[in-house]
Amino acid sequence: GAGVSQSPSNKVTEKGKDVELRCDPISGHTALYWYRQSLGQGLEFLIYFQGNSAPDKSGLPSDRFSAERTGGSVSTLTIQRTQQEDSAVYLCASSSQIRETQYFGPGTRLLVL
Amino acid sequence: AQKITQTQPGMFVQEKEAVTLDCTYDTSDPSYGLFWYKQPSSGEMIFLIYQGSYDQQNATEGRYSLNFQKARKSANLVISASQLGDSAMYFCAMRDFTDKLIFGTGTRLQVFP
Repeated sequence: GAGVSQSPSNKVTEKGKDVELRCDPISGHTALYWYRQSLGQGLEFLIYFQGNSAPDKSGLPSDRFSAERTGGSVSTLTIQRTQQEDSAVYLCASSSQIRETQYFGPGTRLLVL
Repeated sequence: AQKITQTQPGMFVQEKEAVTLDCTYDTSDPSYGLFWYKQPSSGEMIFLIYQGSYDQQNATEGRYSLNFQKARKSANLVISASQLGDSAMYFCAMRDFTDKLIFGTGTRLQVFP
């Protein structure tokens, strides 16, 4: 079956602009995660959704970052007023339920000029 | 604090030989999961193998096996009969009680003919 998909695959934006990154999890997966991979910080957790529970936002680096998940499926990560340090690969993962293996999408490469 | 340590920034192995990639972890949580992911140059994180903290036997998946030594807090990945296509970054990760993945810094494996 189809894996996790993310769009766009690449995004170049100017400092100060807002960006939206999209994630389509594997069908039927109830848990969805966002991670960020950057040269300086490695792979770091951002936010986690499980079913209808309140999301775990403990990894979001600032209030410029937000995410939502509509209808328990697609998720959008929004970065407002982008900064150059936001340049990274943003990875989305999903799992069938909590404490199961997380499967990753191909990522969105964000470059902030 | 929970932490994953991968001390080998890079490893070389000849095709058809076996290679071990090291991973140690630190956690006070009695229930945790350990994962290995492969990240080729394309960027996607590919799940390889999983070991639960209560599993009595070492996990195996085809040419991949996980050498789990709980007392030493190590979870080394063994790749047997290396292939050129195994050249990639390999990440060890731990799932903590909050269900997030904590990643190590990765090991770049290069397989040569």
